[in-house]
Order: sequence, then C-alpha cells, then structure tokens
Amino acid sequence: EAGVAQSPRYKIIEKRQSVAFWCNPISGHATLYWYQQILGQGPKLLIQFQNNGVVDDSQLPKDRFSAERLKGVDSTLKIQPAKLEDSAVYLCASSLEIYGNTIYFGEGSWLTVV
Amino acid sequence: SQQGEEDPQALSIQEGENATMNCSYKTSINNLQWYRQNSGRGLVHLILIRSNEREKHSGRLRVTLDTSKKSSSLLITASRAADTASYFCATDQAGTALIFGKGTTLSVSS
Repeated sequence: EAGVAQSPRYKIIEKRQSVAFWCNPISGHATLYWYQQILGQGPKLLIQFQNNGVVDDSQLPKDRFSAERLKGVDSTLKIQPAKLEDSAVYLCASSLEIYGNTIYFGEGSWLTVV
Repeated sequence: SQQGEEDPQALSIQEGENATMNCSYKTSINNLQWYRQNSGRGLVHLILIRSNEREKHSGRLRVTLDTSKKSSSLLITASRAADTASYFCATDQAGTALIFGKGTTLSVSS
C-alpha cells in the first residue's frame, strides 16, 4: 500500500514570495491533515479536511495560508506571502476515519524562507 | 495549542538499556497515541491506547495510561541504536484532531 506522498521535499524561497505544497493521501482515506512542525517542536495542526470539506482550520493563518482539497483526494497548501517564521516542515497526513484512529504521515515538505 | 508535554526533553542511554518517556496532558481525552520521528522524516505511529485502557504492549514497547493523573508513559525495553529518534505523544478529545506534545529526543549509543 502506497503511503502519503508529498512534494516538493525541499523548498527555499525569499520572504514575500509564494510557495505551494502538494499532498496525495493514502487511497481511501477520507480525512486529510496539514501540520506545521517548527524545528524542535511538535507538529501543530493547520487544517483538517473530511473529504473535500474543512473540519478545522482554526489555527491556519488565513491572511497568508490557504488550502484546498477540491475533489476530496489530493490537497494543496499555499503560503503567500511567506514570512521568515514560516520556515518549518509541512507535514501532510491522512486517516481512514475522522477521529480516534491512527494518522499516517508523509515525509514532509521542508520550507526555508530567507 | 499544546495539550501533551513529554518529559524528559532529551534522554541518552546505552544500547540494551530501557528508555522511559512520560507524557502529561491537561484535559480529558478519548485516546492517547505515541509516534516516532527519525531525523528528517515523517512521523510513524507506534501505539494507540484508549481512555478506558491502562496498559498496552507492542513488541518492545509498553505504554501505560493513568487518566486520574492525566499522564502516560512509553517504555522501550532493550534499546537499540535504531531507536534513536524523537518520540511524541498525541491526544484527542471528542470532536478534535490529534494534538501533539513537543517530544522527547532519545539517543541510544552503541
């Protein structure tokens, strides 16, 4: 069974530029998550989708971050304009059910903003 | 917001020794999970324990949960160099996604 796929793996951009990350979850997983992990910290939930609907985006900085999951499968996370403090690993994850079960993570997309 | 908090922040042991990490959380939970993250990689699920369970085992892993103290512990027995990683506890409440702690960094030297 293929895992959660993410791209690109690494990205370096200048502040005020934009960047987009792509995620393909495990086949059949209805729930998709984007987490932000700053170096030395645990992952922080940015947004959770159930199929193509948003369940929780309370910690997404909506003035600069956006995410979509149009057909209920793949998802993209966009940052525009990027700030220095956005330097982090962006982890996509998926799960079979919406709550109370194992979450499967991708390898992450490493963003450095200079 | 951070729900769980792992202790210690860092742990260094020799191969063959046992490693114990603790997690404390603030509010009632439905489930508690432990994940491992190797350097530069994504997180890998280790074990899930539900609020009505007290102990679970998986291979060399033993997890305990004490809901009265709002705490959990992860024991890795007979540690190997390959166990070197960061370990995170994560909790969920009714109607919420997993919230992760800051993690314990384990270093196992041979």
